[in-house]
Amino acid sequence: GQQLNQSPQSMFIQEGEDVSMNCTSSSIFNTWLWYKQDPGEGPVLLIALYKAGELTSNGRLTAQFGITRKDSFLNISASIPSDVGIYFCAGDHAGNNRKLIWGLGTSLAVNP
Amino acid sequence: KAGVTQTPRYLIKTRGQQVTLSCSPISGHRSVSWYQQTPGQGLQFLFEYFSETQRNKGNFPGRFSGRQFSNSRSEMNVSTLELGDSALYLCASSERGGQPQHFGDGTRLSIL
Repeated sequence: GQQLNQSPQSMFIQEGEDVSMNCTSSSIFNTWLWYKQDPGEGPVLLIALYKAGELTSNGRLTAQFGITRKDSFLNISASIPSDVGIYFCAGDHAGNNRKLIWGLGTSLAVNP
Repeated sequence: KAGVTQTPRYLIKTRGQQVTLSCSPISGHRSVSWYQQTPGQGLQFLFEYFSETQRNKGNFPGRFSGRQFSNSRSEMNVSTLELGDSALYLCASSERGGQPQHFGDGTRLSIL
């Protein structure tokens, strides 16, 4: 199936450090979304981006919709142990097709 | 407001059997989408229902089918189960089919 290129695949950081992850696509999206998934649970929406160039924050999280509409990044500042989990990017193609295309996730581990 | 509810949470079946999974969307949400999540392929879109009609379909064989009822609840059916169907099946709802989608905690299907 179709997938986004999400990197890095995994990260192991110290508590208090900042984290950055990104997603790229060969095609244009009209919406970018970032989700977090904890073990045994479904993905939880973190940030939704609807406009090229848009920069949106949610607490310690900041995400941007790339100008080319083919990429997005997510930053987490001052990481804490509860940030542990898998972070997914997802994109919605321009047009009437509303299905989400997903990255394979970034697994984040935080050392207290 | 109650979230997306999926039942059952866990299922064990054998090859050749069939299975039906259920999803109750957030109250007021009319669009329901289904995804298959596996470690190797990530999240793959199965189909989307809106007002009891299938609006979008992913690249899965005809053994995967679904329906939506007048109260927006949705069911997904998989017939002639194969070992490769073992996965976490996620349901997501949104108000009218756009973004963002909100996910349930999934049904973990294991095929023996």
